[in-house]
Parts: sequence; structure tokens; C-alpha cells
Amino acid sequence: QQQVRQSPQSLTVWEGETAILNCSYENSAFDYFPWYQQFPGEGPALLIAIRSVSDKKEDGRFTIFFNKREKKLSLHITDSQPGDSATYFCAGYNTNTGKLTFGDGTVLTVKP
Amino acid sequence: GGIITQTPKFLIGQEGQKLTLKCQQNFNHDTMYWYRQDSGKGLRLIYYSITENDLQKGDLSEGYDASREKKSSFSLTVTSAQKNEMAVFLCASSISWGVYAEQFFGPGTRLTVL
Repeated sequence: QQQVRQSPQSLTVWEGETAILNCSYENSAFDYFPWYQQFPGEGPALLIAIRSVSDKKEDGRFTIFFNKREKKLSLHITDSQPGDSATYFCAGYNTNTGKLTFGDGTVLTVKP
Repeated sequence: GGIITQTPKFLIGQEGQKLTLKCQQNFNHDTMYWYRQDSGKGLRLIYYSITENDLQKGDLSEGYDASREKKSSFSLTVTSAQKNEMAVFLCASSISWGVYAEQFFGPGTRLTVL
């Protein structure tokens, strides 16, 4: 059972465009959603996170939109740069188990 | 700041072999984790250690053992490597166990079993 689903699997945008990465979850016990960015050959690094009490979290060019009723969230990257090319993982924190569950990731390519 | 060091960076083993992966962190974090990452997939939790003398099984613990030798180090053993297995094993640490404790990841150990 895939508890966190991400779409699309891969996404290509041109430099300067907005990239939209989607995430959905099934477990109502998830109440905190970090997004991790991973470059090839490196471990993931926390990019931005949102609590379920909020519907939006912004940090520079990165914004999370959260819809608790539909159990969906999305990461918007505005003015995309080639350096943003990476794999992005959405994760959900389960308050009952104390563990993070990761989605399978979206591979983003930004073309100059 | 701090860093997580994983050794070796690449590990090639034979089917049935016992293999050990090591992780060191200098953040002085209490909690450490081992995850497995298969190609095109998310991270799955193998073992974690909330504090220095603690050891907990994750969702994927079968076929693995772990050891928290001291606060700064956490080892993972593949008890019997499976033929054609390929995965990246990621070590992480966080200041404590809890929802807002950011996890910091090492660069990973890439395992290939012949």
C-alpha cells in the first residue's frame, strides 16, 4: 500500500517557468509534510516543510500548497533554474508511529 | 554545522555474504537512522536508534541487523546478501526523535551483490 504518492514521475520545464510537483497521501495520522531535494550521488536534504494546520508555506521560490480535506499537497518552484534539477521527495510524518513515509519522488529537469 | 560520513562509498559483495556498512555523525545528535533507497523509489526505514542505547526495527528490518556503538556511530549489517541486489543505503541523524526534528542524510553506500 503506497501511503504517499507523487506525480509526475518526471517533469521537464524551461528555465524561468514554474514547476509543479504533486503529492497525495492516505493516512490521516500524517500531520507534517517535509519535502526533500536530492542531487545525484548525494543524500536528500530538507527543502521546505508544512504542518497540517497550515494551507500554504513559502520560502523564496519554493511554495507548498496543502489541502487537508483532499489529502493533497503540491510544491511550486517559481522561476526554475537549471540548478534546481534534482529528485524531489514528499514525505508524511505519522504522529502515531513517529516515522516518516516517503513517496517515490519526482525527477525534475530544468532546461536552460 | 556537522557532517555524516558513510563507509564504504561503494560495496560489492557475493551472494550469501555478510556485509557491514558504517555511519559516523559529528552533529552530536541523539537519533540515527538507516534507510534503503532502490532505484526510482522512495526511502524505506530499516532501523533507527532514538538514543545511544536504543535500537528499533523499521519497516524493512528483515535481513538486517544494526548496532549503535556509541552516540556518534551507527552500523548496519546485511546478514546474507541477495544475488542481483542493488540499492543505496542512507544513514541519517536528527537532534532528537520527534516530528520537527530535521533529518540530515549522509551521501550513501551503494551496494551491488554479484
